[in-house]
Amino acid sequence: DQQVKQNSPSLSVQEGRISILNCDYTNSMFDYFLWYKKYPAEGPTFLISISSIKDKNEDGRFTVFLNKSAKHLSLHIVPSQPGDSAVYFCAATPRGYGKLTFGQGTILTVHP
Amino acid sequence: DAGITQSPRYKITETGRQVTLMCHQTWSHSYMFWYRQDLGHGLRLIYYSAAADITDKGEVPDGYVVSRSKTENFPLTLESATRSQTSVYFCASSEEEVGSNSPLHFGNGTRLTVT
Repeated sequence: DQQVKQNSPSLSVQEGRISILNCDYTNSMFDYFLWYKKYPAEGPTFLISISSIKDKNEDGRFTVFLNKSAKHLSLHIVPSQPGDSAVYFCAATPRGYGKLTFGQGTILTVHP
Repeated sequence: DAGITQSPRYKITETGRQVTLMCHQTWSHSYMFWYRQDLGHGLRLIYYSAAADITDKGEVPDGYVVSRSKTENFPLTLESATRSQTSVYFCASSEEEVGSNSPLHFGNGTRLTVT
């Protein structure tokens, strides 16, 4: 049972435009949500996170939105840059659980 | 430079062989994890450890063994490798229980091919 789902395997965006990556989850016990970015031949790196008490968190060009009623979160990248081209994973965990559950990942390609 | 080091980066082995993937971190993080990455499945947790000598199973532990005699090391052993264990393996650590203020930090992975 996939508790965290990224239903779009890939996304292609023009440089300067907005990239929106989506993630759905089924476990209502999830308290923390994180986004990771992964380049080829490297490990995932932490990008941004949000706790369930918030509905938005912003860090520079990256904003994560959380809609608890819909069990949906999204990552917005504005403006998109070619260097943002990577695989993006969303992940979630309940408070006190200590382990992350990851989605399948979305390949973002930003064209110059 | 401090961080997580995985070795080897690439490994080819035969079915039935035992193989050990190494993971070393220099941060003295309490928590360490092993994930595997497969197309269509994302990252799946194999085993994790909350401290030295404390380990527990994750989502896909069958066929794997771990140990943690020292805080900084967390080796993963495939006792008798199978083709289904062909994957990219990532080791990760976190200072505290993972959450929005304590993210996982990953190594660069080991690509394992079982022939």
